[in-house]
Amino acid sequence: ETGVTQSPTHLIKTRGQQVTLRCSSQSGHNTVSWYQQALGQGPQFIFQYYREEENGRGNFPPRFSGLQFPNYSSELNVNALELDDSALYLCASSGAGVPFYEQYFGPGTRLTVT
Amino acid sequence: KQEVTQIPAALSVPEGENLVLNCSFTDSAIYNLQWFRQDPGKGLTSLLLIQSSQREQTSGRLNASLDKSSGRSTLYIAASQPGDSATYLCAVGNNFNKFYFGSGTKLNVKP
Repeated sequence: ETGVTQSPTHLIKTRGQQVTLRCSSQSGHNTVSWYQQALGQGPQFIFQYYREEENGRGNFPPRFSGLQFPNYSSELNVNALELDDSALYLCASSGAGVPFYEQYFGPGTRLTVT
Repeated sequence: KQEVTQIPAALSVPEGENLVLNCSFTDSAIYNLQWFRQDPGKGLTSLLLIQSSQREQTSGRLNASLDKSSGRSTLYIAASQPGDSATYLCAVGNNFNKFYFGSGTKLNVKP
């Protein structure tokens, strides 16, 4: 097991609502990346945070936003939820001073939008 | 845009076989490549990480190779076991802070 934790484990929301997912990174890691994994697909990179700043973003609209806190934990916020946002959301922490080092994943949050 | 392809999409083998999983990528300007294992409904477990300057990495029965110039990586699993059954994913990290995954190879090792 990695030291990366995510909450909640499962979540059901209605279209149009907003959701916040949380991730605690592994001790000593200062970089957190978020991914969306649809059923049967590989994870898609949403964005990365390094020392509290966004450090790269994939092809996701602005309604996907994030934060990283001084303790390097992170939040993923999704506004105006759509049915296609239903997926497993994974966070990964990495680096002990190196942003692109080996990634350690949490167990994920399963989001269902109805 | 980096595109990562994994072949085959699914593989079923009898226990004890040696097998090779393939990963190809379109842009050779990568920073590193990482292989993961994912069990159904679970997160990803890191298996091997290869930096762009390396050619291969080994861990136990697993060996991963990287050929940047041809845009290919292979994951070799020796003496497969039923416990190896899972989906195997490769991820490519590029120099612009983005990471790209393939769709995975679903492996079933039959007792």
